[in-house]
Parts: sequence; C-alpha cells; structure tokens
Amino acid sequence: AQSVTQLGSHVSVSEGALVLLRCNYSSSVPPYLFWYVQYPNQGLQLLLKYTTGATLVKGINGFEAEFKKSETSFHLTKPSAHMSDAAEYFCAVSGGYNKLIFGAGTRLAVHP
Amino acid sequence: GAVVSQHPSRVICKSGTSVKIECRSLDFQATTMFWYRQFPKQSLMLMATSNEGSKATYEQGVEKDKFLINHASLTLSTLTVTSAHPEDSSFYICSARAPTGSGNTIYFGEGSWLTVV
Repeated sequence: AQSVTQLGSHVSVSEGALVLLRCNYSSSVPPYLFWYVQYPNQGLQLLLKYTTGATLVKGINGFEAEFKKSETSFHLTKPSAHMSDAAEYFCAVSGGYNKLIFGAGTRLAVHP
Repeated sequence: GAVVSQHPSRVICKSGTSVKIECRSLDFQATTMFWYRQFPKQSLMLMATSNEGSKATYEQGVEKDKFLINHASLTLSTLTVTSAHPEDSSFYICSARAPTGSGNTIYFGEGSWLTVV
C-alpha cells in the first residue's frame, strides 16, 4: 500500500524567497515519486520525477526535489519564487509507472 | 513531448442523461490509462485503471455500472457517466502511461469539467 502526506495545505512566500513544499510518503515497494503543478481550471503538469538513480532531481521552472529514503521524504524546493509559481502542487507516489496516489495538495501563494 | 488530450473540456448535461468524456494519447500508444476525479479544492482520487482490450479495474467505492470505461484502442479511452446526477458534477482527469522511448512517465490530460443540472 502507498500513501502521501503533504504538510501544509497552504504556503505563502514572498517573491524571490525560497519555496519549500513538503512531501512524505509510505510505500511497500521501491517508490516512484512525482511532483505535479495544477493551475486553476487546468490539468496537471509534471514538474519532476524520481524513479531510480540520482536522488536529487531537477525539474522544470527551476524546481528540484531530493529523495531521502531514510526520511521517506521528497520535498520540493525552488531557490527564488516567482509570481507565476502561484498554483496548486501535488506530490504523488506509485509502484512503478502505475496508478498514482496523490497527496492532498499544497496551494502556493506568492506575494510581492 | 508526449501529450494527452481530453474532450470535451467542459460539458453541461441534464440530470438523468449520460455523458461521454474522451481521453486520447496524441503521440504515443498507451496500453494503460487512468481516470481520476477531483472535487473543487481537493486532491485527485483514482477512479479506475483502463487497460486496452480488457475490462477496467475500478477502485473501491467506484460504481462500475455508473462510470463506464472503454479502452478500445491504444490511443483512446472513454469515460461515460450514466444517468448523471448533480453529485456527479466534478473535474475528471485522465492520464496515460507513455512507454520507454516516449518519456516513460505518466502524462495527464487537461481535464474535463462536468456540470449536471
């Protein structure tokens, strides 16, 4: 069985500040981990994914995430927030490229 | 890159009628597609896994007779909401697994808003 916990349903940062969105997972098999972004009334766009290999994964729009097995975490970071980063972010886990189990989501607000 | 397209993006139907939503993988063949449902300001809940040429696998609590899924080809899966009721109003999103050589990941469609009046 797999599950995802995203800590903080809402995160607010200033433009230019560090973005940190937290994700912890549980999985009975080696996990594949994903971060998706969703803008209002739109589908999901893949930001980055971890499958195997390097634990620090770089994605689009300057985002990156680090897989820490000992902490069962896959936190998403971006050094400097931009106004266009305001959106809903979902962390997801799967056992291989199968059905994804999503976290509850974190709404990121970026203020001037 | 790989693209998954859904149609229609928005649909309004009367209570008691049926409505079909299509999910297409545009530049790869997808043996497996997934259907999710998302209520406003909530996360995505997996409804079913759609396998080409076979019956869909439904998640616990999802009525298979109400949410009919057909995966007739390697590029098309359809979700039909039968005898729709206002509580079926939601955002429905499909995803498709791209094979190795086509991204080897899971891509999502743009979603379809269903409003039942």
